[in-house]
Amino acid sequence: GEDVEQSLFLSVREGDSSVINCTYTDSSSTYLYWYKQEPGAGLQLLTYIFSNMDMKQDQRLTVLLNKKDKHLSLRIADTQTGDSAIYFCAGDLNAGNNRKLIWGLGTSLAVNP
Amino acid sequence: NAGVTQTPKFQVLKTGQSMTLQCAQDMNHEYMSWYRQDPGMGLRLIHYSVGAGITDQGEVPNGYNVSRSTTEDFPLRLLSAAPSQTSVYFCASSWGQGRGYGYTFGSGTRLTVV
Repeated sequence: GEDVEQSLFLSVREGDSSVINCTYTDSSSTYLYWYKQEPGAGLQLLTYIFSNMDMKQDQRLTVLLNKKDKHLSLRIADTQTGDSAIYFCAGDLNAGNNRKLIWGLGTSLAVNP
Repeated sequence: NAGVTQTPKFQVLKTGQSMTLQCAQDMNHEYMSWYRQDPGMGLRLIHYSVGAGITDQGEVPNGYNVSRSTTEDFPLRLLSAAPSQTSVYFCASSWGQGRGYGYTFGSGTRLTVV
């Protein structure tokens, strides 16, 4: 079945770049998303990429998509302590008339001063 | 805009009690959904709705009911609470079924069943 996998933890130093990786199995996903969840809060959409794109940049965020390897990554430049959160990768699965997102388990990013 | 509002933020129930988790959005979103979030399990879809009067089951619907009488509101009912329903519940909404819109999430309801 469909699956989205992420590494569970990542620790970086403040000011370094963070790279969070995600692999997915469903090749029909047309959109792939990155969400951020801060402690005690709901998920917040950070960015998304359409499947016909290889890269998308939005300020400090860069999303790379390798369709051949079914690999998605989120790079955060100049990581700050405020970036400490859980980051979820999700794929938009074409399920007929119904919309279905397949979620990864989330990567917990710790930013050390 | 308030976005997606969930109430209550915290709730403790005794086994067998029933309750309703409220969710309201003011963005005129067609699509609304309920997720539960458990450690090591990620987000799991309970129920969803593609518009007023239309609801459908997600992957973990047992023990929960929903209704969608208006575009704005999508309450989740726990019929007879069980300890296995201890979780954090999130309501999320989106524009239609088109791709790329992304979801707007509420801040969650932390439910403990004792």
